[in-house]
Amino acid sequence: DAKTTQPTSMDCAEGRAANLPCNHSTISGNEYVYWYRQIHSQGPQYIIHGLKNNETNEMASLIITEDRKSSTLILPHATLRDTAVYYCIVRGDGGSNYKLTFGKGTLLTVNP
Amino acid sequence: SQTIHQWPATLVQPVGSPLSLECTVEGTSNPNLYWYRQAAGRGLQLLFYSVGIGQISSEVPQNLSASRPQDRQFILSSKKLLLSDSGFYLCAWSVWGGNQPQHFGDGTRLSIL
Repeated sequence: DAKTTQPTSMDCAEGRAANLPCNHSTISGNEYVYWYRQIHSQGPQYIIHGLKNNETNEMASLIITEDRKSSTLILPHATLRDTAVYYCIVRGDGGSNYKLTFGKGTLLTVNP
Repeated sequence: SQTIHQWPATLVQPVGSPLSLECTVEGTSNPNLYWYRQAAGRGLQLLFYSVGIGQISSEVPQNLSASRPQDRQFILSSKKLLLSDSGFYLCAWSVWGGNQPQHFGDGTRLSIL
């Protein structure tokens, strides 16, 4: 699976949009981009995933660049409860590729 | 909707004691099931996954074993715990299919004394 690079930490004001970047320059054609977050002492929570088109759900939007070498997770109106470590993961869709490889992620702190 | 349950939430065990952690999923059939471990300050490591009853694949050699006696039940076990088995154990499920996301339970925090 391709490696991802994320900033160590980011801050965001409550009510503003949080834009979390992720670089995955070695991504291959069949690899999806997944975003999870983990609030302290809880299990990771799935947020969204995509292949090449932009995706939106009730939690967030995922913007993938045309060359697929980077993506941005957007939380449109951040709240204090969005403070968490956010993980960007790239994984292929075939065969026995079941493993999600979590890196260090980005600690997003939403400030009042 | 689908839900995943893990218990207990926390567990303190002495070295050399046995272990049994249970995970059940509701609201779906024939899920893929996973056990991960998160050591302190480190990322999640996949330990086992299962695509069906009695089918277990191990990702890393270790002191633990897994079993899937029923379609939506996944058990993590050890006969004799080591200090290095301490960590945060997470169960996850996914719908069968290559790109389907995995959904995690709330985890069990295991401390070995």
